[in-house]
Amino acid sequence: GAGVSQSPSNKVTEKGKDVELRCDPISGHTALYWYRQSLGQGLEFLIYFQGNSAPDKSGLPSDRFSAERTGGSVSTLTIQRTQQEDSAVYLCASSFTGAEAFFGQGTRLTVV
Amino acid sequence: GDSVTQMEGPVTLSEEAFLTINCTYTATGYPSLFWYVQYPGEGLQLLLKATKADDKGSNKGFEATYRKETTSFHLEKGSVQVSDSAVYFCALSDGAGGFKTIFGAGTRLFVKA
Repeated sequence: GAGVSQSPSNKVTEKGKDVELRCDPISGHTALYWYRQSLGQGLEFLIYFQGNSAPDKSGLPSDRFSAERTGGSVSTLTIQRTQQEDSAVYLCASSFTGAEAFFGQGTRLTVV
Repeated sequence: GDSVTQMEGPVTLSEEAFLTINCTYTATGYPSLFWYVQYPGEGLQLLLKATKADDKGSNKGFEATYRKETTSFHLEKGSVQVSDSAVYFCALSDGAGGFKTIFGAGTRLFVKA
């Protein structure tokens, strides 16, 4: 597609449920990033993919968070047993290696 | 490891004032440097970039010069407008760091009419 696409755009879930967030990067982009942005806060790095492998998972907050990327394209961020502190906007970005990142519109996750 | 430090906000200016948002970085290699902007209710978008020392990135009246000697990439604009109110993020991508893009904490700018 023309840009980075994230789905859903909004997600409301009950505490304790699992959620999956999807990111479709720009075609051909080798690098893919997940960030989290809480209200009024900066960008919190979660995980970085180069192709299908994740050389840096250091930002994942706990073992309830996991992510995968298949075919060097689509990525899924999964949060298990969601907690209220997981509420945030989850941003995905993609880029050619070393070049500027292009961001999706984000998924706003609300855990109630 | 690599890092980006930018001045804390919020920064509040009157229209037509001069803007500087400071950004310094730490990197193992020779990174590319970026400024991103997030307007209210919108996603992040690239504002400008510089890929090597002494390069100047510019866009929409904003400028930043890649200063290797001071490891800085300060954002400047000569005359801000109300429409420039946004959050500005400094970032780097360093080959020695695996080309992961690292962001600063962001600086919120308010411009008053």
